Amino acid sequence: GESVGLHLPTLSVQEGDNSIINCAYSNSASDYFIWYKQESGKGPQFIIDIRSNMDKRQGQRVTVLLNKTVKHLSLQIAATQPGDSAVYFCAEKGAGGYQKVTFGIGTKLQVIP
Amino acid sequence: EAQVTQNPRYLITVTGKKLTVTCSQNMNHEYMSWYRQDPGLGLRQIYYSMNVEVTDKGDVPEGYKVSRKEKRNFPLILESPSPNQTSLYFCASSSGTGVFHNSPLHFGNGTRLTVT
Repeated sequence: GESVGLHLPTLSVQEGDNSIINCAYSNSASDYFIWYKQESGKGPQFIIDIRSNMDKRQGQRVTVLLNKTVKHLSLQIAATQPGDSAVYFCAEKGAGGYQKVTFGIGTKLQVIP
Repeated sequence: EAQVTQNPRYLITVTGKKLTVTCSQNMNHEYMSWYRQDPGLGLRQIYYSMNVEVTDKGDVPEGYKVSRKEKRNFPLILESPSPNQTSLYFCASSSGTGVFHNSPLHFGNGTRLTVT
C-alpha cells in the first residue's frame, strides 16, 4: 500500500456516526477552498469546494464550513460508511490572477465497522 | 470517461538513468501540473503548464523537466534521477478558466518511483 497515510493525524469513527475533519489554512487572502479524498493507491478525488463569500456549502452527505475569522475549514460527513475510510486534505487558493493551490497534509479517517 | 492517465504506476530505477513519466488527459483542459507527495509534507508542485508550449516552475522543480507540445500530454522527465526523487508523483489537470476562476484539479492515480 501507499505510505502517504503515515505520520498523519488520524480520526477513528464508528460506522453510522458523523465525522468532522478540520483544517487550518494560512493565507487570509485565499478565496477558494477545496476538500479532496485520497484512497489507498489512488489519486486525490474532488469532494466539495467553497468560495470565500460563503460560510457553508452542502453536498451529498458532506458539508463544508468556512470560518474566515479564524481561518478554519471543516468537512462534515454524515452517517460515515466504511467506504469513507481515506485520507482527507484541504486545499486553498489565493485571490486574483494565477494563484497556485496549496495543500494541507491531511487527516486519515478510519471507519470502524 | 473523463480522466487523467499516468504511466507507469510503479517504476524502480537506478541513479542517473533517465526516465519519463507520461501524463495524458481527455478533458481538453488547458492547465496541467505535476506534484510529488511525500509522508508528512503533502502535495508539492513541481512544474505546471497553463497551455501548449507554456510551462513554469512550481515549488520543487530541481532535477525535473517537463514539456507541453500537445494539449492532452504533459510528460515529466528526470534526466538523472537521484534517490531523493523517490516519491509518489501525481499529474493533475484543470479547465483553463479554473486557474483564474476556481475549479478543482483532476488527478491521475499516481506513479510510485523508487530510485536506488
